[in-house]
Amino acid sequence: DAGITQSPRYKITETGRQVTLMCHQTWSHSYMFWYRQDLGHGLRLIYYSAAADITDKGEVPDGYVVSRSKTENFPLTLESATRSQTSVYFCASSHQGIYGYTFGSGTRLTVV
Amino acid sequence: TQLLEQSPQFLSIQEGENLTVYCNSSSVFSSLQWYRQEPGEGPVLLVTVVTGGEVKKLKRLTFQFGDARKDSSLHITAAQTGDTGLYLCAGERTSGSRLTFGEGTQLTVNP
Repeated sequence: DAGITQSPRYKITETGRQVTLMCHQTWSHSYMFWYRQDLGHGLRLIYYSAAADITDKGEVPDGYVVSRSKTENFPLTLESATRSQTSVYFCASSHQGIYGYTFGSGTRLTVV
Repeated sequence: TQLLEQSPQFLSIQEGENLTVYCNSSSVFSSLQWYRQEPGEGPVLLVTVVTGGEVKKLKRLTFQFGDARKDSSLHITAAQTGDTGLYLCAGERTSGSRLTFGEGTQLTVNP
């Protein structure tokens, strides 16, 4: 089915472990984004990508790594998870970066 | 400091009532978007407004962009329980720049 899918939906990991959140879109949108959503902070941009092999930092990039070797995939890696990274993570895509973002259903990550 | 301030943060009303949600900023935006988010799901785009003073209607929802392009409002007429959700405004400072989101208004419509 066309759309944007995130996996896993739920993840529990331990402090210090590396974890990768996956995002896949089928529209060939050029722009892709990673946000985290926390109470009291709303949606905050972690990283974004304007095209394959082009990525840039957002508002809260520390502790995260992204890559985009293919247009349709934009994985987010937490290199050494910390409790402060417990959050709901949303991936989004957009054509040309404007006129509305399409969001995935989110990954709820808990770091214990 | 939030670039986009939404008010109220929480709103609980009865089915059939009207309501207005506000999104304010001291900054000018080239465009502003409204999203609705339901529990366990990502935000879904409702509308994009780009011209100062613009009014757009989506069934019982009316969106307005301020003349100075610093603020926006969402008015819902005769609210239904299906309108329950988190309403987020998001602004683009310049064309092609990244969206900045407000913290949202949590709306609960009671039967």
